[in-house]
Amino acid sequence: QQQVKQSPQSLIVQKGGIPIINCAYENTAFDYFPWYQQFPGKGPALLIAIRPDVSEKKEGRFTISFNKSAKQFSLHIMDSQPGDSATYFCAASMELGSARQLTFGSGTQLTVLP
Amino acid sequence: EAGVVQSPRYKIIEKKQPVAFWCNPISGHNTLYWYLQNLGQGPELLIRYENEEAVDDSQLPKDRFSAERLKGVDSTLKIQPAELGDSAVYLCASSGSSYNEQFFGPGTRLTVL
Repeated sequence: QQQVKQSPQSLIVQKGGIPIINCAYENTAFDYFPWYQQFPGKGPALLIAIRPDVSEKKEGRFTISFNKSAKQFSLHIMDSQPGDSATYFCAASMELGSARQLTFGSGTQLTVLP
Repeated sequence: EAGVVQSPRYKIIEKKQPVAFWCNPISGHNTLYWYLQNLGQGPELLIRYENEEAVDDSQLPKDRFSAERLKGVDSTLKIQPAELGDSAVYLCASSGSSYNEQFFGPGTRLTVL
């Protein structure tokens, strides 16, 4: 029940394309949904996050769409660039005791071709 | 401001040998995390510290893994003895509290031969 399922495992798009990465969760106790970007040899870095009281959040070229009833959320990258090539992880956070716990999806390796 | 520092960045050892990883969190961050990241997978929490206290170590294989955070700052994660299946990236992260954003270090890539 604490799993976050992410798809696809890998994605290749042309420069300017709009890659879409999807995630789904089961546990309705999750109440915060961040996305992380990880470059080779680096740790994950927070990219954008959303709370379930809104259906969409946009920051620059990155947009999260959130469907609370379906328990799904997705990341869209507008006008993708070769520099966006990285691994993207969705995550879900919930309060557990007196702290918050973060559960990651399995990751999507994105390649943006020039 | 310096980020989370980890060392070594890479470590190759033979099975049954001990190994230790070191993490220096961002200054002032009370919460420190150790994660395991297998190839092609997302990070999985091993242990979380609030200052010097390990408050969530339910996923730490205690038969061979141990961790400490002396004085509530730097932390060390140890494996003794290492097994082939321990080959992975070990990530350290820190945050002001568990309610704040986590900042990750670059990780230590462990290869067990």
